[in-house]
Amino acid sequence: KNQVEQSPQSLIILEGKNCTLQCNYTVSPFSNLRWYKQDTGRGPVSLTIMTFSENTKSNGRYTATLDADTKQSSLHITASQLSDSASYICVVSGQNSGYALNFGKGTSLLVTP
Amino acid sequence: GAGVSQSPSNKVTEKGKDVELRCDPISGHVSLFWYQQALGQGPEFLTYFQNEAQLDKSGLPSDRFFAERPEGSVSTLKIQRTQQEDSAVYLCASRPDRGLEKLFFGSGTQLSVL
Repeated sequence: KNQVEQSPQSLIILEGKNCTLQCNYTVSPFSNLRWYKQDTGRGPVSLTIMTFSENTKSNGRYTATLDADTKQSSLHITASQLSDSASYICVVSGQNSGYALNFGKGTSLLVTP
Repeated sequence: GAGVSQSPSNKVTEKGKDVELRCDPISGHVSLFWYQQALGQGPEFLTYFQNEAQLDKSGLPSDRFFAERPEGSVSTLKIQRTQQEDSAVYLCASRPDRGLEKLFFGSGTQLSVL
């Protein structure tokens, strides 16, 4: 069973609107969680990293939150732009897993004019 | 270049042929990963190198898959006797070392087996 579950699988929103993507994980003990953005035909690019003690982290119009108690993270995108259309992947590392990373399947976001 | 470079960007091959995919990581990066990504899915781990040492190849789907990084920099992923189910994007990623450093991904090689 995948230790990182993302929802929704896909999402379509109008340009200028906000949206929130979800990531639930079971990786334990937890070390850190990253959100990556993957444009079509490109490799994923890191947006944010959050460790156990962090509740929120912003990167421009992207704001990630983390609740380590419920093992949930969200990525909020404000005032969406057409260029936000991409797949957003949640990646979780465990404290004892060394180099191993746990990837979610991603949420495919389409921003339409 | 400043980023992770992969070649070719696209490869179309016939079933049964061998293919070789190349990854040039960022200079000085110790860790190198290969991932397989099916359409609409997240990357799936294939193998991990620390310098020239292949520390984990548990994700390689079969013995037709072989990866090496002989001098601790460039890596190649070789797939022998390709099958249609091998069709996917193959991503390479590198990072300076373990810890909290993010992965730097290449743009991938889109492999299509006809």
